[in-house]
Amino acid sequence: KAGVTQTPRYLIKTRGQQVTLSCSPISGHRSVSWYQQTPGQGLQFLFEYFSETQRNKGNFPGRFSGRQFSNSRSEMNVSTLELGDSALYLCASSLTSSGDIGEQYFGPGTRLTVT
Amino acid sequence: SQQGEEDPQALSIQEGENATMNCSYKTSINNLQWYRQNSGRGLVHLILIRSNEREKHSGRLRVTLDTSKKSSSLLITASRAADTASYFCATDNRGNTPLVFGKGTRLSVIA
Repeated sequence: KAGVTQTPRYLIKTRGQQVTLSCSPISGHRSVSWYQQTPGQGLQFLFEYFSETQRNKGNFPGRFSGRQFSNSRSEMNVSTLELGDSALYLCASSLTSSGDIGEQYFGPGTRLTVT
Repeated sequence: SQQGEEDPQALSIQEGENATMNCSYKTSINNLQWYRQNSGRGLVHLILIRSNEREKHSGRLRVTLDTSKKSSSLLITASRAADTASYFCATDNRGNTPLVFGKGTRLSVIA
């Protein structure tokens, strides 16, 4: 099976712009989670989608949003970019349906740099 | 916010030696997982241990869990240069709660 793919891999944006990142999960995986990784804060959970519904949300401002499509592919959007949004954004998929997070399969990440 | 705290933050050993990393957490958990991350890339799942398990093995990896002390350890035996990476523990509670990661241990294995 193909692994989790994320596009684009690298992105440079200017403050105030918006950005959309894409994630394609492993075939058959219905849960997709997004994480932000920075040197200072480490890995922080953004949100999780399951069957097109947001099931969990981390402690991030409303500028961060996401969605999941019927084929389980997911996108996340960050509006009005700030310098502090520069990070590695990781997407992970899993087979979990309910009650148990289980093993997460991570994509290679999108490196976002905000200038 | 971080649930798990790995110790040490960084570890440097010679090839062939064993590496031990520890993880402490604050609240009751459902599962505890360990992941590896090579520099700036995606995470790779290593092992999952449930709250009712005390020890688990996978190849050269041995994970222990002590729920009374809210701690776990990851032992890598006979380390190789290819084991050089950051290692993270992650915990979850019951009821569809998300994984919460620690800040990781950076392991350097010198050939």
